Amino acid sequence: DTAVSQTPKYLVTQMGNDKSIKCEQNLGHDTMYWYKQDSKKFLKIMFSYNNKELIINETVPNRFSPKSPDKAHLNLHINSLELGDSAVYFCASSQGARVAEKLFFGSGTQLSVL
Amino acid sequence: ELKVEQNPLFLSMQEGKNYTIYCNYSTTSDRLYWYRQDPGKSLESLFVLLSNGAVKQEGRLMASLDTKARLSTLHITAAVHDLSATYFCAVRPGGGKLIFGQGTTLQVKP
Repeated sequence: DTAVSQTPKYLVTQMGNDKSIKCEQNLGHDTMYWYKQDSKKFLKIMFSYNNKELIINETVPNRFSPKSPDKAHLNLHINSLELGDSAVYFCASSQGARVAEKLFFGSGTQLSVL
Repeated sequence: ELKVEQNPLFLSMQEGKNYTIYCNYSTTSDRLYWYRQDPGKSLESLFVLLSNGAVKQEGRLMASLDTKARLSTLHITAAVHDLSATYFCAVRPGGGKLIFGQGTTLQVKP
């Protein structure tokens, strides 16, 4: 069983479209995250939710909107996609937001905006 | 602004050799993480270092943490091809968000 699963694995779309990436974790963790990895492999946090509540919201365009229907799911919706949004997006989870717990990462969604 | 800097960013080495990857960070953090990423794959947790002087070893990899110097090292002993990957260090100051270094891409040649 995959601990943190995200879909789709690949997403190719045109500029201006709206798309969603889904993430689910079956670890019983309270906290979930979205990270963006650019073409130089740099990883930067975008959002974090703890028990469905937004706790970290980095400087991200408001075209990006996370939604957490329950603590096992954190989806990412992106409106009006731009070329610069092309990247690999990783979902992750941890037991808590403020404990020394490692993050478990999903396999990533490679987004290509044409 | 918190910075996490790894050195080197790219490392090509022969099998059987030893080498060290360095991770410096700019603010107080008493916990440091090392992750491995294979090409096109996800990140896999290697080590969590929770206190000054912490040392952890798994196979040919050994990680250490010096919180006073704000430095962590990942030492590779007698490298093998299977260790080829990108290695990230990360800090979590105050237990909040995880801040990653730029990654060190390791290439081990036969």
